[in-house]
Amino acid sequence: DAKTTQPPSMDCAEGRAANLPCNHSTISGNEYVYWYRQIHSQGPQYIIHGLKNNETNEMASLIITEDRKSSTLILPHATLRDTAVYYCIVRDTGGYQKVTFGTGTKLQVIP
Amino acid sequence: ETGVTQTPRHLVMGMTNKKSLKCEQHLGHNAMYWYKQSAKKPLELMFVYNFKEQTENNSVPSRFSPECPNSSHLFLHLHTLQPEDSALYLCASSQDPGPTDTQYFGPGTRLTVL
Repeated sequence: DAKTTQPPSMDCAEGRAANLPCNHSTISGNEYVYWYRQIHSQGPQYIIHGLKNNETNEMASLIITEDRKSSTLILPHATLRDTAVYYCIVRDTGGYQKVTFGTGTKLQVIP
Repeated sequence: ETGVTQTPRHLVMGMTNKKSLKCEQHLGHNAMYWYKQSAKKPLELMFVYNFKEQTENNSVPSRFSPECPNSSHLFLHLHTLQPEDSALYLCASSQDPGPTDTQYFGPGTRLTVL
């Protein structure tokens, strides 16, 4: 699996955009970038995924650099309920696909 | 709500007890998964079921016994567990077990083994 690197923690003011970076410099051409988040002691929640193009859904936007070596998850208007650990993962292509989480970024939204 | 439910949400059991965890998905998916999440450790895949057939067992001890009677239900039967088995047990489902199929997780069962 391609490894991902994320900052351990970030703060964001409520109502502002939260930009969470992820480095995946060893990603291969057919691997997708996925983002999940996990609020304390709850199950992980799927946010968004992408291959090459930028993606947007009702929760967030995903910006992938042209060389695909990094990406940024954008929460356009962070709320207190967005406080969670955010995981950037890369799905490998062999066999049945497990979701492998790294250490993630602890996002704290501040009132 | 992700469409994946798990019961019970919390479970405390002794090492000699037998208990079962239940997972149900209402998404019409074909693949279901059991994961273990221990404190300060990465998520660990335990079992994968595709169309009710077990397709992966990640060297899980036999004191964990999965059962998948149909594509919507998944059980994890527990017996003679150890304190180190205390963890958050997560169920997930996806349309198919492929590399691009999004997995949706349930809320988890917090298990404590005394």
